[in-house]
Amino acid sequence: DQQVKQNSPSLSVQEGRISILNCDYTNSMFDYFLWYKKYPAEGPTFLISISSIKDKNEDGRFTVFLNKSAKHLSLHIVPSQPGDSAVYFCAATGPGGGTYKYIFGTGTRLKVLA
Amino acid sequence: DTAVSQTPKYLVTQMGNDKSIKCEQNLGHDTMYWYKQDSKKFLKIMFSYNNKELIINETVPNRFSPKSPDKAHLNLHINSLELGDSAVYFCASSRGGGANYGYTFGSGTRLTVV
Repeated sequence: DQQVKQNSPSLSVQEGRISILNCDYTNSMFDYFLWYKKYPAEGPTFLISISSIKDKNEDGRFTVFLNKSAKHLSLHIVPSQPGDSAVYFCAATGPGGGTYKYIFGTGTRLKVLA
Repeated sequence: DTAVSQTPKYLVTQMGNDKSIKCEQNLGHDTMYWYKQDSKKFLKIMFSYNNKELIINETVPNRFSPKSPDKAHLNLHINSLELGDSAVYFCASSRGGGANYGYTFGSGTRLTVV
């Protein structure tokens, strides 16, 4: 049972435009969410997090939005840069945000075209 | 200076062999993990250790045995390797359950069983 889903396996965006990566989850007990970026032959790198008490968290060019009623989160990258080309994973855990077990989605490969 | 290092990076071995993957972190984290990324790109947790104690064991065959000699090390030993064990194995560490800053991942060990 896949509790965290990223339904778009890939996405292409022009440099300078907005990239929107989506993630859906099914477990209503999830209350803490992370986004990771992964380059080939490297481990995933933490990007940004959000807890369920917020609906938005921003860090530079990266913003994560959480819609609890829809069980949906999205990562916005503005403006997109060629160096952002990577696979992006969302991950969720709960309750309490510290259960030592994040469930990952299957990732979305973002390609930013120069 | 690598924060989470795994060795070896690549491992090719025959069915039935026993092999180990080593992981070390120099971040002072108290929790370490093993994740498996299969051919469908699912990143799935296998084990979680907090202060050298096993706290998560996710229905992994008992051919897989993690060993944590101290908080900075978490090794993975696999007995009687099978073709289906071929995957990329990621070690990770975190402070507590990984809220706020997520996990720090190693660069992965690509295991190929032939």
